[in-house]
Amino acid sequence: QVQLVESGGGVVQPGRSLRLSCAASGFTFSSYGMHWVRQAPGKGLEWVAVISYDGSNKYYADSVKGRFTISRDNSKNTLYLQMNSLRAEDTAVYYCAKDPASQAFLHWYFDLWGRGTLVTVSS
Amino acid sequence: QSALTQPASVSGSPGQSITISCTGTSSDVGSYNLVSWYQQHPGKAPKLMIYEGSKRPSGVSNRFSGSKSGNTASLTISGLQAEDEADYYCCSYAGSSSVFGGGTKLTVL
Repeated sequence: QVQLVESGGGVVQPGRSLRLSCAASGFTFSSYGMHWVRQAPGKGLEWVAVISYDGSNKYYADSVKGRFTISRDNSKNTLYLQMNSLRAEDTAVYYCAKDPASQAFLHWYFDLWGRGTLVTVSS
Repeated sequence: QSALTQPASVSGSPGQSITISCTGTSSDVGSYNLVSWYQQHPGKAPKLMIYEGSKRPSGVSNRFSGSKSGNTASLTISGLQAEDEADYYCCSYAGSSSVFGGGTKLTVL
């Protein structure tokens, strides 16, 4: 069925790195832009980053720019988020989410979400 | 990239209607017809309820409707049901980024 499944979360010390993955199935992954959205414990949603269907365009929230890198492997139907120089304030559930635009300009909303993976940054 | 402003909480009785506001600026809500709304039940992933300001995805009840005036978007839920009790988030395109509202907790009395 159509779904997104995140993995790679865990407990990491401040300043260290972590890579999240998001496996897509049930739709043509290579045709759609993909986003990462996070939610700190007990807090609201925060958009993190987006990548176009072919990986040619990437945009980031100011809070993660220069530290996080979004990428994708269309041959593996997988989205990634490389997180470096992690801080306590990066502690959150990280969701991957699908943009509905198919090989076109991003529509900047999220029509399919994964269940999320928890990242805890703590010493 | 400042968060959009939503009321922290709203409440209503079954069968009533409620409206949740989402106030942004001329750099986000006011400039683009790209406001979306999400419903999130505790421990669950968000669910798209409204996109492009007023459009409903297939499968979403027509009790949910969206609108926009100037820098403020609104989500209206009519005929409140117990299952509507959840957190609701607005989101807007903000020029090569997206920005969410702080979220509104809807309580069905």
